[in-house]
Amino acid sequence: GAVVSQHPSWVICKSGTSVKIECRSLDFQATTMFWYRQFPKQSLMLMATSNEGSKATYEQGVEKDKFLINHASLTLSTLTVTSAHPEDSSFYICSARWSSGTDTQYFGPGTRLTVL
Amino acid sequence: QKEVEQDPGPLSVPEGAIVSLNCTYSNSAFQYFMWYRQYSRKGPELLMYTYSSGNKEDGRFTAQVDKSSKYISLFIRDSQPSDSATYLCAMRRNTGFQKLVFGTGTRLLVSP
Repeated sequence: GAVVSQHPSWVICKSGTSVKIECRSLDFQATTMFWYRQFPKQSLMLMATSNEGSKATYEQGVEKDKFLINHASLTLSTLTVTSAHPEDSSFYICSARWSSGTDTQYFGPGTRLTVL
Repeated sequence: QKEVEQDPGPLSVPEGAIVSLNCTYSNSAFQYFMWYRQYSRKGPELLMYTYSSGNKEDGRFTAQVDKSSKYISLFIRDSQPSDSATYLCAMRRNTGFQKLVFGTGTRLLVSP
């Protein structure tokens, strides 16, 4: 149980385009999902917390207009990187809170974004 | 000072060795402690989850929490090359506050 998927697993796009990443909890409902960014050989950096049906809460220094988060249902959250630039290239990982189980976070496999 | 300190390694051990991974923390409000394993270019996988102080065992893995010392450990017995990964400790306060605070991760290399 507690499986989280992400799609796509990797994406390459041109500078200036927008990219949408989906995060799904496959076998549980997640009222809260989290989006992280990870640079090579570094730990996870929390970008935002999203609650189903409400606006996401962004961490300090994260541009909410650049990283649009939508948590439309109890099993799906999306992160859209708008007008992507090469410095946005990174590994993006989502997690979902399994509140009726261990009440901790389960992570997706990650999405590698490369902006040319 | 970081809230959670973890030696980045790498830690190199021979197959079959007992591995000890550790984290220290400064915030006494942390109540829930987790260990995640992350393979290269993959998302973190939850290994162990403990509440408050004490030990928890699951197969070859044992997690220890010493809240009085603000110190947590993960022991891996009979280590295997497939255990080679980065191990992240994470912790959070009570159930009303879900944000996890991560260590930087320790890279473990188990050689055959």
